[in-house]
Amino acid sequence: DIQMTQSPSTLSASVGDRVTITCRASQSISNWLAWYQQKPGKAPKLLIYKASSLESGVPSRFSGSASGTEFTLTISSLQPDDFATYYCQQYNSYWTFGQGTKVEIK
Amino acid sequence: EVQLLESGGGLVQPGGSLRLSCAASGFTVSIYAMSWVRQAPGKGLDWVSSISGTGGATYYADSVEGRFTISRDNSKKTLYLQMNNLRVDDTAVYYCAKGDPVATLGYHFDSWGQGTLVTVSS
Repeated sequence: DIQMTQSPSTLSASVGDRVTITCRASQSISNWLAWYQQKPGKAPKLLIYKASSLESGVPSRFSGSASGTEFTLTISSLQPDDFATYYCQQYNSYWTFGQGTKVEIK
Repeated sequence: EVQLLESGGGLVQPGGSLRLSCAASGFTVSIYAMSWVRQAPGKGLDWVSSISGTGGATYYADSVEGRFTISRDNSKKTLYLQMNNLRVDDTAVYYCAKGDPVATLGYHFDSWGQGTLVTVSS
């Protein structure tokens, strides 16, 4: 089974900060990686797919990148609406989620 | 607009059964692979099961294999999850999610329902 290790588990940041979340796969997943945002009591929302493709309607301050088995979600300038939990997901071999990163107000 | 509406959750005793439904609309349901994902209280997301558009291919997480059965009725635009021999650690919000119109594997989930809560407790 492919394991996804996400870091950090919690991130404290201020509005306007540049934020980076990392996800590492236990083996090669090519670029079959997605990022989701989830707010309390709500369903997850797709942000990025195929490692770096921005889902329609998602603000351009969100971006994704890949280097080998390491994947990064970057928020270029954190906005009040961005305080949430973020999950990575591999879909190269079935589906596995990372543990999540909670982005909280500093 | 894509809409996914789950129902069927509730309180059930360990060893009991429950059937979840997910009514889909706003897209050509019959050609899209669909999945179930769950989230235990205060925990992360956990893939449960997936099914191809035709229903001919099904996949399960090891933790539910042999206990849960995914199915679909494309004439009713509805996805199902039959859950048998439920355990306390199956307690979670269960989400249905929309996948890919072609692939049976290797796809992300681009739309999610609001979820239905399953509580397994004596």
